[in-house]
Amino acid sequence: AQTIHQWPVAEIKAVGSPLSLGCTIKGKSSPNLYWYWQATGGTLQQLFYSITVGQVESVVQLNLSASRPKDDQFILSTEKLLLSHSGFYLCAWSYWGGADQNTLYFGAGTRLSVL
Amino acid sequence: GEQVEQLPSSLIVQEGASVLINCSYTDSASVYFPWYKQEPGKRLQFIIDIRSNMERKQNQRLTLLFDKKTKHLSLHITATQPGDSAIYFCSARTSGGNYKPTFGKGTSLVVHP
Repeated sequence: AQTIHQWPVAEIKAVGSPLSLGCTIKGKSSPNLYWYWQATGGTLQQLFYSITVGQVESVVQLNLSASRPKDDQFILSTEKLLLSHSGFYLCAWSYWGGADQNTLYFGAGTRLSVL
Repeated sequence: GEQVEQLPSSLIVQEGASVLINCSYTDSASVYFPWYKQEPGKRLQFIIDIRSNMERKQNQRLTLLFDKKTKHLSLHITATQPGDSAIYFCSARTSGGNYKPTFGKGTSLVVHP
């Protein structure tokens, strides 16, 4: 069975400090990977997606970057946090190819508070 | 780009009631519409989907209706239970190599016992 693990569970960071959030998928090779940001109140905003190692596409510019250093790993980072970065960050994966590529499977998320 | 509107933004009902969540989209190229549920403290999970070549899909107490002409979907939940309390999200995506599904803003459902 496939599992998706996000780390850390929660972070409290100062404005201007760096950030690195991680996501690992086990039990599935070559997944499509996604980062989402969820504001308080629920709205989901897609940030990045990746369909293969080393290749990441940006969906919105929020002074964040993402990388996929391994097939099963997706990293979200920034060198300087802003207050507006606070929120809930969700990693998700989907199958590569076929009808099932349409369904997203989400991680438990990372709660980020920027002070 | 695609826009997905979801209404209402919140619902509060008594256990046993039926609820209807409406979703509309703008891009006629959208062909796949998965719905997700986010219970308090739990991860977003897929609950039901429909494709544009279908009009209706049912999964136990969930019924999803699709009208291609009006670009409208509705999720009907019958015999609600407190465990149905969650935020429900509609989403839409086009076919092919589209990796940017669009989500609605969510509908918060609270079911009181």
